[in-house]
Amino acid sequence: DQQVKQNSPSLSVQEGRISILNCDYTNSMFDYFLWYKKYPAEGPTFLISISSIKDKNEDGRFTVFLNKSAKHLSLHIVPSQPGDSAVYFCAARPSSGNTPLVFGKGTRLSVIA
Amino acid sequence: DAGVIQSPRHEVTEMGQEVTLRCKPISGHNSLFWYRQTMMRGLELLIYFNNNVPIDDSGMPEDRFSAKMPNASFSTLKIQPSEPRDSAVYFCASREGLAGKETQYFGPGTRLLVL
Repeated sequence: DQQVKQNSPSLSVQEGRISILNCDYTNSMFDYFLWYKKYPAEGPTFLISISSIKDKNEDGRFTVFLNKSAKHLSLHIVPSQPGDSAVYFCAARPSSGNTPLVFGKGTRLSVIA
Repeated sequence: DAGVIQSPRHEVTEMGQEVTLRCKPISGHNSLFWYRQTMMRGLELLIYFNNNVPIDDSGMPEDRFSAKMPNASFSTLKIQPSEPRDSAVYFCASREGLAGKETQYFGPGTRLLVL
């Protein structure tokens, strides 16, 4: 049973427009959420995170929104750049102590010039 | 800091052979994770350690897989005997393990191909 779901395996966006990547979760005990970005032949790298006590966190072109009632979070990239083309993983942490993150399967973003 | 170091970066072996993957976490990090990435299943957690002690190995697919962390700066993931379905990218990640330090830092991965 997947606790973190990224239902869109891929997304294509024009350069300069907004990219919106979505993530749904089922476990209401998750209290911290992260987005990772992965280029081919490299490990995932941390991008941005949000605590469950917030509903928005912004870092430059990247903004993460959290809707706890809907158990949904999204990553917005504005404006999208060709270098943003990568696989994006959503991850969540259960609040019960020092436990591993639970990852979604990822969404491949292609930004077209 | 050099980040999480994994070796080898690529491994091609024949079915039945033993494979050992190595990981050096970031210095000072107390938690270490082994993941496997495949197209079908995405990023799966295999096992993780806190302070060198294995905490949860329920993600290890079967007895052919074993992992050790003899000290804070080194871990191995061993597959014996290897099978073609073990072909995947294996990632190691580390984390400080403190409250408020949830970010895991990943190594570059080992791409394993079992023929």
